[in-house]
Amino acid sequence: KAGVTQTPRYLIKTRGQQVTLSCSPISGHRSVSWYQQTPGQGLQFLFEYFSETQRNKGNFPGRFSGRQFSNSRSEMNVSTLELGDSALYLCASSLIPKGTPNTEAFFGQGTRLTVV
Amino acid sequence: AQKVTQAQTEISVVEKEDVTLDCVYETRDTTYYLFWYKQPPSGELVFLIRRNSFDEQNEISGRYSWNFQKSTSSFNFTITASQVVDSAVYFCALSDGSNYQLIWGAGTKLIIKP
Repeated sequence: KAGVTQTPRYLIKTRGQQVTLSCSPISGHRSVSWYQQTPGQGLQFLFEYFSETQRNKGNFPGRFSGRQFSNSRSEMNVSTLELGDSALYLCASSLIPKGTPNTEAFFGQGTRLTVV
Repeated sequence: AQKVTQAQTEISVVEKEDVTLDCVYETRDTTYYLFWYKQPPSGELVFLIRRNSFDEQNEISGRYSWNFQKSTSSFNFTITASQVVDSAVYFCALSDGSNYQLIWGAGTKLIIKP
């Protein structure tokens, strides 16, 4: 079956602009999580959505937001981009949102965002 | 607070050598889950294993094996007879089980030389 699809793969934006990234989870998966990966901070949790509701949020400013649609596809938005927002943004989908023994997160290839 | 430490930033070995990647975690929860993921240059994180806090049995999957020791809060990963294709960054992660937020280690870059 198809894996997690993230679009676009690469993006270059200018400081102050906003950006929207998209994630299509594996069919049947209802939980979608977003992570930011940078060389300095490593992998950091942004937020998690389940059934169109944000269930968990990491320690990021309000410029970072997201949403999930009824078909489980998710988008994340970053407004007023800063140079420090340059990162690989990874999306993960899970069959069950809670950390049950049968749950693991499947990741997409990520969107590499460069802010200039 | 939860924390995952991967003290080895980079490891370089020659093909066919065995290599162990260390992972030490901190948590106050009694129920938690530990994970290992592999990140090849393509960027996609590939799930390798999940272990819950109540199962300390070691696991072997082909050339991969994992040693979980609650007494030392460690969950180490060993690759036996390493191959060039094993070259990647390996991440250890922790989840408390009540939500699906993963706390990640900094990763260990593994270089396997032919």
